[in-house]
Parts: sequence; structure tokens; C-alpha cells
Amino acid sequence: AQKVTQAQTEISVVEKEDVTLDCVYETRDTTYYLFWYKQPPSGELVFLIRRNSFDEQNEISGRYSWNFQKSTSSFNFTITASQVVDSAVYFCALSEARNTDKLIFGTGTRLQVFP
Amino acid sequence: NAGVTQTPKFQVLKTGQSMTLQCAQDMNHEYMSWYRQDPGMGLRLIHYSVGAGITDQGEVPNGYNVSRSTTEDFPLRLLSAAPSQTSVYFCASSYRGSLAYEQYFGPGTRLTVT
Repeated sequence: AQKVTQAQTEISVVEKEDVTLDCVYETRDTTYYLFWYKQPPSGELVFLIRRNSFDEQNEISGRYSWNFQKSTSSFNFTITASQVVDSAVYFCALSEARNTDKLIFGTGTRLQVFP
Repeated sequence: NAGVTQTPKFQVLKTGQSMTLQCAQDMNHEYMSWYRQDPGMGLRLIHYSVGAGITDQGEVPNGYNVSRSTTEDFPLRLLSAAPSQTSVYFCASSYRGSLAYEQYFGPGTRLTVT
């Protein structure tokens, strides 16, 4: 069965620190998709990235980077030089190719960045 | 484009009352879905639809009904509200295909059942 685990419930950092949010997934499919969403205090869900299982290249977008490792079934998210505006709940999610309509979310990691 | 819209933003119900949460999208997305978000449990899929006239159950469908008569609208009905349905409800939509496209979420409806 598919499952997404975000073991870190809450992380607190001081501004300018780097922080990594962990995501471990389980799936029997060889083709699948991984996502990260951000939920700021205002409550909306914002799409950050999608990665398919055949593309293990790490991705960098500004201060954000993602490390996808199939060997450890992990898709970790790093924020470099964190800012107060990064404070949010971050969700990792999984979708399998045999049913891309179903998105399975992790329980989320609440990141608090203090000035 | 307005994207995905949801009404109402907040709602308080008494146990046993019924109501419909509205969801609409103007992006011509085939896929629409409803999630509930509870503390410590992330988002869980309630029902989803892959096109007008087609719906299916997600992870937690009990107590909820849906229908999809048009591409744009996907209402969620609570037939007899229970305190366990107190939650934040999100509607989402996306394109469909062989790839898993990112889902666009509405702003959410915060429902309290007393």
C-alpha cells in the first residue's frame, strides 16, 4: 500500500538557518510521482514541485532544493537561508501511475522561522 | 481565471443537519476532488471525479455524497452532520492524463459541527 511519512511534526529555526524537511514514501509501483505543497498561515495550499520516479536529478529553485533518492525512498526538501515568510506547514504527497487520480499526503511538517 | 472557488468559507452546523459545500473551477479541469484536513492527519481524500457524471470514493467517504453534473462544479453533501465531521474541507482540481498533474486547491471551508 502507498504511504507517505513525514516524521518531523514541527521544526523551529532562526532566520538564515538552513533546514531540511524529510519525506519517506512507500509504494509498490515502479512509476510514481512525488509532490511538495506549502500551506502558509493563511490556509491555502500552494504547489511547490512535482517529481516523477524516473527523474532522480536534484532540483534547485532559488532557496529551495529537493533531494530525491529512490534507494532510500526519500524526497527531502531543503530551504537555504530560511526567512520568516517560509513559516508554514509543508506537505509531501505521492501519486501512483496506476491511479494518478489519488494523491496520498503525509501528515505535514510545521516549520517556524523566528527572526 | 478565478481558479478553484469554495463556498462558504465558514459554517457551523448542529448534529443531524445537512448542508452542501460548493466547489467550482473555471480551468476546464477534468479532475476534481474533496479532501478533509484534520490536525495531525494531513489531507485525506473523501471523493473524487474524473469527469462529468463520474465519481468515486476516496479514503474517507462515509457520511458524504457527491455528484458531478458539469465539468465546473463538484458539490459535497453532508446528509446528517456529526461532530466527527468538524474539519477543514478543501476542493481541488487538475488536468488528467498519463502524468500526475499538480492539483489546484480552493481556499477551504472550515466546518464546525456541534
